[in-house]
Amino acid sequence: AQKITQTQPGMFVQEKEAVTLDCTYDTSDPSYGLFWYKQPSSGEMIFLIYQGSYDQQNATEGRYSLNFQKARKSANLVISASQLGDSAMYFCAMRENNQGGKLIFGQGTELSVKP
Amino acid sequence: GAVVSQHPSWVICKSGTSVKIECRSLDFQATTMFWYRQFPKQSLMLMATSNEGSKATYEQGVEKDKFLINHASLTLSTLTVTSAHPEDSSFYICSAGDWGASGRKGHTDTQYFGPGTRLTVL
Repeated sequence: AQKITQTQPGMFVQEKEAVTLDCTYDTSDPSYGLFWYKQPSSGEMIFLIYQGSYDQQNATEGRYSLNFQKARKSANLVISASQLGDSAMYFCAMRENNQGGKLIFGQGTELSVKP
Repeated sequence: GAVVSQHPSWVICKSGTSVKIECRSLDFQATTMFWYRQFPKQSLMLMATSNEGSKATYEQGVEKDKFLINHASLTLSTLTVTSAHPEDSSFYICSAGDWGASGRKGHTDTQYFGPGTRLTVL
């Protein structure tokens, strides 16, 4: 079974609007972390935001926020006020604390921001 | 954030040769590093966990004799693709954990990635 699922292969958003990228996960480990990374065409993986399973509040980092719904096992990324430079692949990832720190990645969502 | 470098950024080699890729944590010590492989338009697949001073732990289906990993110091891990073939052509990317070094709430478990190495085997 997929541990991390991103169901949107591609998304379009108008510049300056907000967009939500979906991510669901599956784990029986009560202690885990959820990450979002951005990968532009250059290939580098840019860390965006982190949410711990015991965090009470949703994580926020500038224009990025993570909509963490633990009961539904979802960790959607919200990008507000989209910019042209936000066009890239976005990956959701999970780290289970009993697995030595390794990350399991979702399939990715390709976001295109239209001017 | 923490900085991880990779060298080389790209390499083209002939079939049958070996290629070494270096991954360095520049401003923090990493007892654990990870090696991933990414084919075009696909996700990152974990190949192995590199542990300083001990043997690497390989994921199922990854040939340890094909992909040799050495983690000789707290800041350097190397991946050697031995007897490379065209099917080994891929984007190889490493990461290292900045466990707690940042001191910022919510960032104690962040993994930082190197810029990647694009390998083309002719």
